[in-house]
Amino acid sequence: NAGVTQTPKFRILKIGQSMTLQCAQDMNHNYMYWYRQDPGMGLKLIYYSVGAGITDKGEVPNGYNVSRSTTEDFPLRLELAAPSQTSVYFCASRTRTLNNYGYTFGSGTRLTVV
Amino acid sequence: AQSVTQLGSHVSVSEGALVLLRCNYSSSVPPYLFWYVQYPNQGLQLLLKYTTGATLVKGINGFEAEFKKSETSFHLTKPSAHMSDAAEYFCAVTPTGTASKLTFGTGTRLQVTL
Repeated sequence: NAGVTQTPKFRILKIGQSMTLQCAQDMNHNYMYWYRQDPGMGLKLIYYSVGAGITDKGEVPNGYNVSRSTTEDFPLRLELAAPSQTSVYFCASRTRTLNNYGYTFGSGTRLTVV
Repeated sequence: AQSVTQLGSHVSVSEGALVLLRCNYSSSVPPYLFWYVQYPNQGLQLLLKYTTGATLVKGINGFEAEFKKSETSFHLTKPSAHMSDAAEYFCAVTPTGTASKLTFGTGTRLQVTL
């Protein structure tokens, strides 16, 4: 049982480049989330999904896009990378069960935009 | 809108001493509350959660937290700190709805000294 798998672990992008951060979970979780973590700022929600085909914006969606074509995968797309997107990105998932609100997090992708 | 305040971005304790990490929340209705721990270069791991029932919640690694509605607090404690407890700790809150988007505090880095 791999849990939540994020790839790549590290990436350096040049300004204006694009890339996709991959996130996959094998727990059949309905809910998936993308957060970014900046020093001293905690985690901010970028996008989330409550099931395949359904996505919605979080607190800081500008500059990002997502899709959810399958239950397992929830990729995050950066179209025109900017230095402000230098951050650590975490994907998380959880079940739909109302009594289970604990998120399972991936190990993160550390992105630097130069 | 909900928010979480963690008092003290850095806390230092001696090994064997009491650990107290403070968390206060702001919410129009009683939320669900969580503590997560993050070890260096890793994702977040659930320590404990309060949803309903007993207000004193026990988690992993000897940690516990008490939900105090009158004080809108959910402080994390451990009677005796161990070197392995050194990490960053995040308090988080979510409304009792189905999407359950976690809102995180800014984190407290715990240092344990000999």
